[in-house]
Amino acid sequence: EIVLTQSPGTLSLSPGERATLSCRASQSVSSSDLAWYQQKPGQAPRLLMYGASTRATGTPDRFSGSGSGTDFTLTISRLEPEDFAVYYCQQYGTSPLTFGGGTKVEIK
Amino acid sequence: EVQLVESGGGLVQPGGSLRLSCAASGFTFSSYAMSWVRQAPGKGLEWVSAISSSGGTTYYADSVKGRFTISRDNSKNTLYLQVNRLRAEDTAVYYCAKLAVGFWYFDLWGRGTLVTVSS
Repeated sequence: EIVLTQSPGTLSLSPGERATLSCRASQSVSSSDLAWYQQKPGQAPRLLMYGASTRATGTPDRFSGSGSGTDFTLTISRLEPEDFAVYYCQQYGTSPLTFGGGTKVEIK
Repeated sequence: EVQLVESGGGLVQPGGSLRLSCAASGFTFSSYAMSWVRQAPGKGLEWVSAISSSGGTTYYADSVKGRFTISRDNSKNTLYLQVNRLRAEDTAVYYCAKLAVGFWYFDLWGRGTLVTVSS
């Protein structure tokens, strides 16, 4: 199974700052089949990105995704108050589907 | 409104069983593969099971294979998860999720139902 390692575990930033989240896979993710989700406390996850770099419907353009192979990045260009949450990556190119452990973006 | 609503969770003793349900609305349920994803308290997300749009093909994580059974009733727009031989480590919020067409990422999630396994 493909293990996804997200770093850092926690990112402490202020509104307006840039956030860079990393997702590293234990083996190559086929066809950039990688998605990102946002989860706020007490809520279900919400799809942000798929195909490594395609924004889902409703995802603001301050969110961008990049990467291929084993290294992927989610960037939030300027943090808004509503962006403080936990972010998960997920690979869907190889069974079983797997998620990373999450990165919490908290207010500094 | 496009939504998924789970039900059926609760407190159950180790070794017990439950049937979780997920009612879908606002989209053509029978056209989409569906899945269950769980999240233990304070932990990350874990894929549990998936089922094709017709219900003819099912998939399971190794951690639940042989104990959980996914099914669907397209006439009722409802997804199910029969969970048997429950263990303490099965304690989690169970989310129903819709799979994107042709790809196995989750583009719609329900709010989840909590399953607590404890004596």
